[in-house]
Order: sequence, then C-alpha cells, then structure tokens
Amino acid sequence: GQQLNQSPQSMFIQEGEDVSMNCTSSSIFNTWLWYKQDPGEGPVLLIALYKAGELTSNGRLTAQFGITRKDSFLNISASIPSDVGIYFCAGQLPGTYKYIFGTGTRLKVLA
Amino acid sequence: GAVVSQHPSWVICKSGTSVKIECRSLDFQATTMFWYRQFPKQSLMLMATSNEGSKATYEQGVEKDKFLINHASLTLSTLTVTSAHPEDSSFYICSAPRGTNTEAFFGQGTRLTVV
Repeated sequence: GQQLNQSPQSMFIQEGEDVSMNCTSSSIFNTWLWYKQDPGEGPVLLIALYKAGELTSNGRLTAQFGITRKDSFLNISASIPSDVGIYFCAGQLPGTYKYIFGTGTRLKVLA
Repeated sequence: GAVVSQHPSWVICKSGTSVKIECRSLDFQATTMFWYRQFPKQSLMLMATSNEGSKATYEQGVEKDKFLINHASLTLSTLTVTSAHPEDSSFYICSAPRGTNTEAFFGQGTRLTVV
C-alpha cells in the first residue's frame, strides 16, 4: 500500500529538548494531519493543516503545511516524558476522504 | 471525549471462526468510514472505504470476501473478518471524517488475535 516517507524513524532525546520530524511525498495532498499513538491505542489527532504554507500550533506543538503541498513538519518544543509515543503524519488524497499515513516516528524521551 | 467508538477493543478467536468489529460515530453522521490495519511496529494501512448505503471499496490486495464491510446506518460500520487465520492477527482501526474540514477521527482500535 501507499505510504508517506517520514523521518526520522526513531529518536531519543533529553527532556526539555526540542524535536522535529517531517513527512515528504511525491504526491500533492489537500490536507495534512499529525497524530500521536500510544501503545495499544488508536491514533489521536494533534494538528490539522488545510492549506499550503499554513503554520498551526497546539500548545508545545507546531506544524506546517509545505508550500509545494508535498511535505509537512511537526515540531515539539521543550519535550516532556509524556511525549513518548509514535507520531504519524497523514496526507489526504485530492478529491477523496482517503488518508495515506507516514511510516511513523518513534519518540523516546530521556528524563 | 471520543468522537468515534470502536468495539470490541480486543478479541481472541479460533482459526476458522468469524469476528465482527463495530465502528460508531458519536454525535455526528458519517456517510463514509475507513478501515485500517496495523501490524506491530508498522504504520496504518488503508484496507477499505465503507460507504453508507452502497458497497465498500477495497484497496488493492485486500480480499473483499474475507473482510466483509457493512455500513448499515449513518453512524455504524462493521468489519467482519471471515474464516480468520493467525496471519489475520493485527490491530484494526476505523476512522470517520467529521464536518467540512474532513479531518479524520479514529476509534480506539481492536486488537485481534487468532489462535
């Protein structure tokens, strides 16, 4: 199945550090979503982006919809232990409600 | 609170039996719902699109006779894994778009183990 390229695959960081991850694609998307998934749970929506160039924040999280509509990044500032989990980007295929998911970034925070 | 509810959250079944998973939209109507499958340490892979009042559309490589989808009402879609085998063991997740912004909300997921 189709997937987005997401990087990094995993990362260890110290508590208090900032984190950045991104997704890229060869396809254009209409909407970008960022999710966090805890073990054994379904993904929880963090941020939604609806137009190219849009920059949106949700607390310590900031995400941007790339100008080319083929990429997006997510930043987490001043990380805390509860930020641990897997983060997924998802892009909406034009003309559909379908979303394609990134490969995920596994974040581990060292206290 | 949750806007999409999925049930059951986990199920163990014997090989050859069928298992039904429900996905409900809470407080909104969803003419379209999506079913995903997630293997351990992997991303979510779209299996099929559930359409209220019409047949589901399946992604390439997904057997429609094995994964039966019924979207009988505007708030309920069901996925039935028929004649389950151990390789069907996975985490199954549904989602539904809400409102005009089309952001997708996910259920809690169902962990299926076939023994």
